[in-house]
Amino acid sequence: DIQMTQSPSSLPASLGERVTISCRASQGISNNLNWYQQKPDGTIKPLIYYTSNLQSGVPSRFSGSGSGTDYSLTISSLEPEDFAMYYCQQDASFPWTFGGGTNLELK
Amino acid sequence: QVQLQQSGAELVKPGSSVKISCKASGYTFTSYDMHWIKQQPGNGLEWIGWIYPGNGDTKYNQKFNGKATLTADKSSSTAYMQLSSLTSEDSAVYFCAREGLTTTGVMDAWGQGASVTVSS
Repeated sequence: DIQMTQSPSSLPASLGERVTISCRASQGISNNLNWYQQKPDGTIKPLIYYTSNLQSGVPSRFSGSGSGTDYSLTISSLEPEDFAMYYCQQDASFPWTFGGGTNLELK
Repeated sequence: QVQLQQSGAELVKPGSSVKISCKASGYTFTSYDMHWIKQQPGNGLEWIGWIYPGNGDTKYNQKFNGKATLTADKSSSTAYMQLSSLTSEDSAVYFCAREGLTTTGVMDAWGQGASVTVSS
């Protein structure tokens, strides 16, 4: 199985700040990397697919990049609704696997 | 709009089975893969498997072979996951999620989650 390692696990940040979350795969995943947001009420929504493509309806302050084994999610200027859990997920091979999550919290 | 409505919370006894449902609306149910994901309290997400409701094809994470069984009812646009021989390790929230058609590999719509608690 491909292991996905996210960092940091916890990220205190302020409104308006630019933040970056990293995700490393245990082997190359050829850009088959997606990002999800989970709100405190448990609701999960997709943000980015295939490394850098914004899901419909997702604000442009979210962006993704990476290649090979290293990927990242950047939020350019934090809004109140952005404080949540974030997960990366690879779909390069089965079983699909997720990173351990990053808790983006208000500083 | 696309909606996935999951069944409610379950409290079940060790050794028993439970069947969770996921009713789809707002799209052609038989055209999209449906995935199931497990989330234990305080833990991350774990992929269980998928089913293609169009023909019933399934694929499982080997870890869940013998534990989870995925089915789908085309007449009611409902996907099901049955969990058997339950232990405390199966206590979790279980999500169904649709895989995108043009954006394969990403789960583009999620249910609200169904909580399963295994306790005597």
